[in-house]
Amino acid sequence: KAGVTQTPRYLIKTRGQQVTLSCSPISGHRSVSWYQQTPGQGLQFLFEYFSETQRNKGNFPGRFSGRQFSNSRSEMNVSTLELGDSALYLCASSLDGDFSNSPLHFGNGTRLTVT
Amino acid sequence: AQSVTQLGSHVSVSEGALVLLRCNYSSSVPPYLFWYVQYPNQGLQLLLKYTSAATLVKGINGFEAEFKKSETSFHLTKPSAHMSDAAEYFCAVTKGNYGQNFVFGPGTRLSVLP
Repeated sequence: KAGVTQTPRYLIKTRGQQVTLSCSPISGHRSVSWYQQTPGQGLQFLFEYFSETQRNKGNFPGRFSGRQFSNSRSEMNVSTLELGDSALYLCASSLDGDFSNSPLHFGNGTRLTVT
Repeated sequence: AQSVTQLGSHVSVSEGALVLLRCNYSSSVPPYLFWYVQYPNQGLQLLLKYTSAATLVKGINGFEAEFKKSETSFHLTKPSAHMSDAAEYFCAVTKGNYGQNFVFGPGTRLSVLP
């Protein structure tokens, strides 16, 4: 079974631009979560989607948004990029978000660099 | 609110020595606890999980962890370190219900010396 796939692996953007990151969950997984990883702040939760609905949201500004499609694939978008948005963005999937039965399975991430 | 602390941002052990990585948590409800490992330029890989069954949990690559409610701890151990164990290790806690998120600790970088 294929794992969580994130594209692209690397991105370089300029301040003020916007960016879209893509995530394909493990087949059959319907819950997709996004995390931001930086050396200073560690792993921080962005949001979780289930059945095309945002079910949980972390403490990030509105510039960070996401969506989930009917096939469970997910995208996240960051508008008006700032230097501080440079990070590794990790996507993780779970069967349904019941972590007693199905923990998070992570992709290899998209490394975003904002210049 | 849930939180996780990991004592020691960097731990060094000799090859063949015991590995002990510490994790303490706070949670208002019985938690689910996890250990993940991250190798350079990769995502996180699940090592093991505690979900209120046996308190001693065995994971992959010879790692195990013991849930101690009285100490609010979930320390990760391995009897004999291997060079390939060098990586960053994250402890995480969640309430486990639908729509909850994982709260991760700051991570511990493990170095294995020859």
